[in-house]
This record gives sequence, structure tokens and C-alpha cells, in this order.
Amino acid sequence: EAQVTQNPRYLITVTGKKLTVTCSQNMNHEYMSWYRQDPGLGLRQIYYSMNVEVTDKGDVPEGYKVSRKEKRNFPLILESPSPNQTSLYFCASAPPVGRSHSDEQFFGPGTRLTVL
Amino acid sequence: GDSVTQMEGPVTLSEEACLTINCTYTATGYPSLFWYVQYPGEGLQLLLKATKADDKGSNKGFEATYRKETTSFHLEKGSVQVSDSAVYFCALRGVSGGSYIPTFGRGTSLIVHP
Repeated sequence: EAQVTQNPRYLITVTGKKLTVTCSQNMNHEYMSWYRQDPGLGLRQIYYSMNVEVTDKGDVPEGYKVSRKEKRNFPLILESPSPNQTSLYFCASAPPVGRSHSDEQFFGPGTRLTVL
Repeated sequence: GDSVTQMEGPVTLSEEACLTINCTYTATGYPSLFWYVQYPGEGLQLLLKATKADDKGSNKGFEATYRKETTSFHLEKGSVQVSDSAVYFCALRGVSGGSYIPTFGRGTSLIVHP
């Protein structure tokens, strides 16, 4: 089954304790992205990656890191989490640019993070 | 840059009522337009899309027409069901400098009562 998976689905942690949220897709997509969803603010893009070893900042990259060493994986790293990073996080993937301008993104089920 | 504006929610309707969720956009060139739906506790999934002016996307009784003259992509359904209760996101995919640039609206919550 074609899918985007995220782990963990729920995480409660404390300020300053480094954490990683994993994201994996099995559709051979070049493009991957991370979003956070907050009430009243909708979806905001954190980082995205056009291909392996290529990453770029989205609208709200502060406090986050990503890496893209393999096509299928795109982990989100919080080196020193703070309470304002409490949010619902989504990973997404999409087919490569140029194949079809109209191709949609496929989203993971979300990770609910609470930073105390 | 590109932007998407959609109506504030929540929208509260009774079952079998008509639904319209407004969406307008600003973009350079000719973007593709999408509606995504997020059911409670789940990620976003594509509901429908349109790739060029005057195209109509449809799925599960929902429709939206790509109106370039008014830069709009309003979501409509003639008779909503309780199971349609969800958050709906309007989105576009533009092309800027050859990169894939997705832009989302803030989402509109729909609550349908029996």
C-alpha cells in the first residue's frame, strides 16, 4: 500500500531534550516536506526537500533541522525543543517536479508533540 | 508570493443542507488548485483538484470549478452528511523558479448535525 508513515504518533517531552520524528514514504517520491498545524494558523511549512541531499527552509524553520540522506526518509529533528513547538506535525511527499504540475501531496497521519 | 484565502469557520449545517466554502487565490502563472480534507484524527487527503481554467474537479459529491477570471475555487456540495464533518483546506501548486511550491489556506472546519 502506498503510504507515508510517521513515528511516533504521540510524544510528550520536556524542554531541551533532543528528539527526532521519523517520516518514510514508499512511493519513490522526490519531494518531501514537513508542516506544523496549529489552531487558527492552518498548515505552515517547516522544511522541504526536492531530492536526496537537497533541503530548503519553509515558512517556519526556526528550531528545527532536517536531513535527506535517502529518498524514502525525511526525519525532523528538534535539537532543543521548547513549549512553543507543541503542535501537530505532518510529513508529506509528492512526485518529482516536471513530471506533472498537478500532482498532489500525500500526507502522513500526523505526530502530536507536547513540550512541557 | 502565492497565497490562498478561504472563509473562516466553523461552518455548521444540518444534514442535507447545501454547502459552499469560498476559496480565492493569488499566484503568478497558472497554478493547479486542490481541495484537501482532514477527518478527525487523520492526516490530509486529496478531495479533488483542477489543473487549468474552467476545469471542474469532483469527488464524493463535492465539486469545485477553477475560475481564473475571479481567481476562485469554491467548494460546493448539494447535500451534506454527518460523515462530511471535517476540516477542508484549499491549496495551490505554483511554479516559482522551477521549484514545487505548495501553498495552503488556513482550513475551514465543517460540522454537520443530524
